[in-house]
Amino acid sequence: ELKVEQNPLFLSMQEGKNYTIYCNYSTTSDRLYWYRQDPGKSLESLFVLLSNGAVKQEGRLMASLDTKARLSTLHITAAVHDLSATYFCAVAPGYFNKFYFGSGTKLNVKP
Amino acid sequence: NAGVTQTPKFQVLKTGQSMTLQCAQDMNHNSMYWYRQDPGMGLRLIYYSASEGTTDKGEVPNGYNVSRLNKREFSLRLESAAPSQTSVYFCASSEGGGPSYEQYFGPGTRLTVT
Repeated sequence: ELKVEQNPLFLSMQEGKNYTIYCNYSTTSDRLYWYRQDPGKSLESLFVLLSNGAVKQEGRLMASLDTKARLSTLHITAAVHDLSATYFCAVAPGYFNKFYFGSGTKLNVKP
Repeated sequence: NAGVTQTPKFQVLKTGQSMTLQCAQDMNHNSMYWYRQDPGMGLRLIYYSASEGTTDKGEVPNGYNVSRLNKREFSLRLESAAPSQTSVYFCASSEGGGPSYEQYFGPGTRLTVT
């Protein structure tokens, strides 16, 4: 059974601090996705990582993928309150695009 | 472009009632998906359709049926609703064959079964 594990599940941090969210998965996958979800809203795509060593950055968020370790990280630099949301990673192993999601990391950035 | 649309946005059912959740996309995508999201959990795939005319089971298909009506529309039916089906349901679509395979999500349907 494929498992996608995120940690931490909850993260409360001060504005201005740095932190990393981890996403481990249990099967081979060259593709990993990060999504953001605001309360009561749908999922918004943040990053699509398509190969080993892929790194993408957007503003204060940077995502990376290590397919050999089956690990992706989402690094937050100098957090601001607007980043408060739940962040999900998902993998899509195999030929077809079936996504498997982690349980999500609920991030709360305190002023 | 509206992207992915879902109807209804909210629904309350009694145990045993049936209903159909509707989903449509205007991005000319080949593949469409239905997920459910329960508190504290990620999304779990119910059914998917790789292309028009095909459907397959995902992780949690029991109690649901789907129809890929045409390339644009993919519906999810609950024949006899149960309280365990109280959830938020998301529809998504993707090209299915492009290099990024990104999925685009609809706004969700919040379903309560009493």
